[in-house]
Amino acid sequence: GAVVSQHPSWVICKSGTSVKIECRSLDFQATTMFWYRQFPKQSLMLMATSNEGSKATYEQGVEKDKFLINHASLTLSTLTVTSAHPEDSSFYICSARVGKETQYFGPGTRLLVL
Amino acid sequence: AQTVTQSQPEMSVQEAETVTLSCTYDTSESNYYLFWYKQPPSRQMILVIRQEAYKQQNATENRFSVNFQKAAKSFSLKISDSQLGDTAMYFCAFMLFSGGGADGLTFGKGTHLIIQP
Repeated sequence: GAVVSQHPSWVICKSGTSVKIECRSLDFQATTMFWYRQFPKQSLMLMATSNEGSKATYEQGVEKDKFLINHASLTLSTLTVTSAHPEDSSFYICSARVGKETQYFGPGTRLLVL
Repeated sequence: AQTVTQSQPEMSVQEAETVTLSCTYDTSESNYYLFWYKQPPSRQMILVIRQEAYKQQNATENRFSVNFQKAAKSFSLKISDSQLGDTAMYFCAFMLFSGGGADGLTFGKGTHLIIQP
C-alpha cells in the first residue's frame, strides 16, 4: 500500500510556457501533500505544503505566483510551473502524508525548459 | 529553523562490510522525527528507517540500525553486511511534529554510498 504516482515522469517545454505536474495517492487519501525540488547532485528542498481544500503554504523564497499548487481532492495535488524558464529546470518530487507522520514519495518529474 | 548536516559526501566500502553514515541536526523543538531515506539512481525516495524523538530505544530494520543521541543531536545510520544493492544516495531528514500533524521534511545534503564487489 501507500503508493504515490506522478505524471508526467519527464517533460520538455519551451521557455514561457506553463507545465502542470500531477501527484496522486493511489490507494489512500492524503489531506496533506508536499512538493520538493531537487537540483542535480543536490538534496531535496521543500517548496510547499499542499492541503486539500485550502491554499498551499509556501516556503520562504518560493514564488507562489510561479509555482501554483492546487489540492482539489483527497487523492490529487497539482503543481503548475507558470511561464517556465531554463532556471526552472529541475527534478520535482511530491510526497503524500499517511496518518500524522509518515510520508511516501512519488517517483518524481524531470522538467527541462529550453 | 531546523538544519541537518551530513559531513560525508561520499563513502566506499567492500561488500559484506559494515558502514556508518553520520548525521547531526539542530533544533530547539522537542517533538520531532528523524529519518534516513535512500535514493538509488532511479531517484525514487525510499524510506530506510525512522526514529521518534521521544523514544530512547534506537530503531532497527533488518540490516539497518540507528544510533540516536538526542542530547548530542546526532543520528547515525549503520548498515551491516552491506550489499551491492545498498549503493545509493542516503539522505538524513528531520520532521517537526506539530498539533495538526507533521510538517515537510528538512534534508541533509546526502552521502553517496558505494558498495564495492
